[in-house]
Amino acid sequence: QVQVVQSATEVKKPGASVKVSCKTSGYTFTTYLMHWVRQAPGQGLEWMGIINPSDGGTGYAQKFQGRVTMTRDTSTNTVYMELGGLTSEDTAIYYCTRETGGFEDWGQGALVTVSS
Amino acid sequence: QAGLTQPPSVSKDLRQTATLTCTGNSNNVGNEGAAWLLQHQGHPPKLLSYRNNKRPSGISERFSASRSGNTASLTITGLQPEDEADYYCSAWDSSLSAWVFGGGTKLTVL
Repeated sequence: QVQVVQSATEVKKPGASVKVSCKTSGYTFTTYLMHWVRQAPGQGLEWMGIINPSDGGTGYAQKFQGRVTMTRDTSTNTVYMELGGLTSEDTAIYYCTRETGGFEDWGQGALVTVSS
Repeated sequence: QAGLTQPPSVSKDLRQTATLTCTGNSNNVGNEGAAWLLQHQGHPPKLLSYRNNKRPSGISERFSASRSGNTASLTITGLQPEDEADYYCSAWDSSLSAWVFGGGTKLTVL
């Protein structure tokens, strides 16, 4: 069955960068687009961007342009999301999700806390 | 960026029917339709429907989605205690070249 497993909780200082991983299994990695969505404490869902694991092509929400980089490693079926210039506003759970027409399979989420 | 509009909360009695709404514009809901997700506290979201009323495997027929113009709706029949959750709509916005979400509706089953 499809599995999406994310890296663990991170605590970062303001101004730092964080790189979250998302390891997939149970399907052909290069067939489906992967998205990153975040959720601040007590808030709703916010789309960050998309990566095509087949060719590494990306698209980012305007809000994160210049600050986010999404990559993939086809040898380990893993996608990554790196966010720089962290502020307290970036404290959130970061999810990766596989798109099969909708956001069907989700990782468990990675809590990133930004605090001095 | 602009999002979709959902009522913050809806309350309905057990075994009754709830209809949740999601309003966008002609660039998102009115164009590509909407997807619906459910989220229980402390858990990742779960996809309920996409492209207006396609259901992933394992999703109950009690959940059905529809669209009229720029407004999408999710109807939940025979409400159960486990239906109490936050519900989000999402859609591709062709003018923003981005996915947008609604702010979420908290459904309370009385």
